[in-house]
Amino acid sequence: DVKVTQSSRYLVKRTGEKVFLECVQDMDHENMFWYRQDPGLGLRLIYFSYDVKMKEKGDIPEGYSVSREKKERFSLILESASTNQTSMYLCASSGQISGANVLTFGAGSRLTVL
Amino acid sequence: GQNIDQPTEMTATEGAIVQINCTYQTSGFNGLFWYQQHAGEAPTFLSYNVLDGLEEKGRFSSFLSRSKGYSYLLLKELQMKDSASYLCAVMDSNYQLIWGAGTKLIIKP
Repeated sequence: DVKVTQSSRYLVKRTGEKVFLECVQDMDHENMFWYRQDPGLGLRLIYFSYDVKMKEKGDIPEGYSVSREKKERFSLILESASTNQTSMYLCASSGQISGANVLTFGAGSRLTVL
Repeated sequence: GQNIDQPTEMTATEGAIVQINCTYQTSGFNGLFWYQQHAGEAPTFLSYNVLDGLEEKGRFSSFLSRSKGYSYLLLKELQMKDSASYLCAVMDSNYQLIWGAGTKLIIKP
């Protein structure tokens, strides 16, 4: 019954390394999102995509990029990881449920940058 | 700026009722969502309110007053499995979601 799958649950990287976080959804949703979740803060939107090869910046895009080559896959890339990017990263896709545009989240990828 | 406020933590007793409040100040309003997130897991959708009033779904109900910028999530007959964080989110005039920091609910036997 898995609908949004994130490739890595836990990652430990060093400062300056390139990091790829992969996300796949099987619900044929057009919209996909990347959030980060930090203690004491609400979810913050990094990037989103409403179609293949389309991307839009969210609230905190600096230091991140994304790729959407296929409808089901949305990747988050940290070109040069920094310690302040240590966080939980959540991928989501959205679809209509009872008239509401509802997000379905993946289980999250907890990234630690040393 | 846009802001969602909800209590950081609440404690309740198994079998009891608890109300989690959410107040918001946003640029426009296109609906309010409640999500549940167990520790280490993905948030899951609980409810959606776009009109004033109460929406009931089993043991969970959600209320909205747009004029007051206020919502609450009501959980009845609390069970231990209800121990989780509850996230309030508002969709603004640009159809972007603004998230609260979440309320951690602790259920005691």
